[in-house]
Amino acid sequence: EPEVTQTPSHQVTQMGQEVILRCVPISNHLYFYWYRQILGQKVEFLVSFYNNEISEKSEIFDDQFSVERPDGSNFTLKIRSTKLEDSAMYFCASTSSDRVNTGELFFGEGSRLTVL
Amino acid sequence: DQQVKQNSPSLSVQEGRISILNCDYTNSMFDYFLWYKKYPAEGPTFLISISSIKDKNEDGRFTVFLNKSAKHLSLHIVPSQPGDSAVYFCAAKSFSEGGSEKLVFGKGTKLTVNP
Repeated sequence: EPEVTQTPSHQVTQMGQEVILRCVPISNHLYFYWYRQILGQKVEFLVSFYNNEISEKSEIFDDQFSVERPDGSNFTLKIRSTKLEDSAMYFCASTSSDRVNTGELFFGEGSRLTVL
Repeated sequence: DQQVKQNSPSLSVQEGRISILNCDYTNSMFDYFLWYKKYPAEGPTFLISISSIKDKNEDGRFTVFLNKSAKHLSLHIVPSQPGDSAVYFCAAKSFSEGGSEKLVFGKGTKLTVNP
């Protein structure tokens, strides 16, 4: 069964460093997302991406964050200068045209980011 | 921001019995409600959804009930099985002209089904 894959599974970085989290969405999906979950808190929406541009972003997704789909398969989240509060589990998700309106997303296993 | 609330952080039931997980919401613009299941070290997995124009949706052992007047939904699992032990997230999606796609999640309820 096709699945969303994310790398790395865990990254430890120093405050102020740049981090890139990578995702390979399901191949025939057109809608891509990043969510995050800080330990003990809710899963929070960061950004949605469709047709090579951001379709919606949350207040969390400030100028330090960016997303890119550099080729036909990868979808990346870049944090330019990490802060301690960026420590979280980051989930990539994707979905198809026939599921996007119902909110049915397919999530990856997550990338745990630890900022020291 | 408490648009979606799951007031029970945990629930423990016996195998074979019914599990009832509850969720409350505040935003009348939500058009779909979903339940996701999450095992440790995995991402959330879609379980079942319901449109805001329905009051019940059933899929095998899983049934979701929606009470719009009370802004409340519940997930019933019957019979419960040990493999159902996981964290269950309630989520909601709002309708907008621009096609808002973001999901708003509750904090989750950890279900433990004891053999």
